[in-house]
Amino acid sequence: DAGITQSPRYKITETGRQVTLMCHQTWSHSYMFWYRQDLGHGLRLIYYSAAADITDKGEVPDGYVVSRSKTENFPLTLESATRSQTSVYFCAAALGGQNFETQYFGPGTRLLVL
Amino acid sequence: AQSVAQPEDQVNVAEGNPLTVKCTYSVSGNPYLFWYVQYPNRGLQFLLKYITGDNLVKGSYGFEAEFNKSQTSFHLKKPSALVSDSALYFCAVRDEYTNAGKSTFGDGTTLTVKP
Repeated sequence: DAGITQSPRYKITETGRQVTLMCHQTWSHSYMFWYRQDLGHGLRLIYYSAAADITDKGEVPDGYVVSRSKTENFPLTLESATRSQTSVYFCAAALGGQNFETQYFGPGTRLLVL
Repeated sequence: AQSVAQPEDQVNVAEGNPLTVKCTYSVSGNPYLFWYVQYPNRGLQFLLKYITGDNLVKGSYGFEAEFNKSQTSFHLKKPSALVSDSALYFCAVRDEYTNAGKSTFGDGTTLTVKP
């Protein structure tokens, strides 16, 4: 049972380029999330999705785009990468609902924008 | 509105001693509270949660946390620390009036257990 996979695990890109980070779950959990982790900021929510075709902004959505055409996939796109988007990105999934809100995290993608 | 604070960036304890990692929160309604642990170069792992019921919650790896409504706290504890407990710990909260799944995470506390 792979759980949540993220690809690529490491990515180096240049400013202005478009980058897509992939997230896939082997379950069918309703909720999926994208976070970024930066020193001194903990985890900050970028976008989340309550179900296929339903997405909503989190705390820091600017410069990012998400889609969720299938329940199991939740890609995150940086439309025009900036140095400030250098970070570690985590995808997570959760069943949802009051008693099933535990989030399960992927291994993360380390992104460096030069 | 919801917020969470982890007042200590770093906690150091000796192996075998009890440990406490502090978390305080602010919500408008009732809180849903969570603790996660992150080992180096890994994603976060769920430890325990408080939704309702008993104020003392037991979780994975011998950890427990006590919900204190009057002090708006949810401190993580373990009676006897292990070197392998050394990691980064995150507290998270969701207000009952916030959309399901949209928790706010603290900045994290680095726990170091010395032999």
